[in-house]
Amino acid sequence: EVQLVESGGGLVQPGGSLRLSCAASGFSFSDHYMDWVRQAPVKGLEWIARSRNKANSYSTVYAASVKGRFTISRDDSKNSLYLQMDNLRAEDTAVYYCARLYCASGVCQSAPWGQGTLVSVSS
Amino acid sequence: DIQMTQSPSSLSASVGDRVTITCRASQGIGSSLVWYQQKPEKAPKSLIYAASSLQSGVPSRFSGSGSGTDFTLTISSLQPEDFAIYYCQQYHDYPVTFGQGTRLEI
Repeated sequence: EVQLVESGGGLVQPGGSLRLSCAASGFSFSDHYMDWVRQAPVKGLEWIARSRNKANSYSTVYAASVKGRFTISRDDSKNSLYLQMDNLRAEDTAVYYCARLYCASGVCQSAPWGQGTLVSVSS
Repeated sequence: DIQMTQSPSSLSASVGDRVTITCRASQGIGSSLVWYQQKPEKAPKSLIYAASSLQSGVPSRFSGSGSGTDFTLTISSLQPEDFAIYYCQQYHDYPVTFGQGTRLEI
């Protein structure tokens, strides 16, 4: 079964840091691009970061809202994706999802998604 | 950034109804569009990819159409389990962007 499981969420003070993890299983993790997507309380979905695969030099792309503060990384030997979040702000409060970018014949979709991990930024 | 605008924002319907949700992109995105369904306290789930291809395991009452800037998600005969929020997403260009969501109330 293809599965993603996030961990590492919690309560952190403004200006603090947190590292999220996403453990993948059931597919060849190293072949796929991986994303972080977040959802603020009672809000919509916001894509925030992408890690391309080894064939694409593990290059990364970020949304403007997190660029310079968040760092996406991966360890293919551990089938794991990470999100290092620094200088956190109240507006970063959200459920954070990791998602596999599944592409076939040139078309793509985010599938599956993990169950999400809640990050709360508050003093 | 490519803006994705969904309409309506919310919709009340009855079991058996035919429902259509629209998604408009601020610039052409070809067929680089995915529809997701999100139920309360759950992660989103892909329904339709490449604007009109049905994800494996998704009931055939769901269908998608469109290309360029205008897209639709249609549910041909609503079932009680279809109560959810529906999002469109474009991956034509970075940043990847989502519509604001359509809340479907049965």
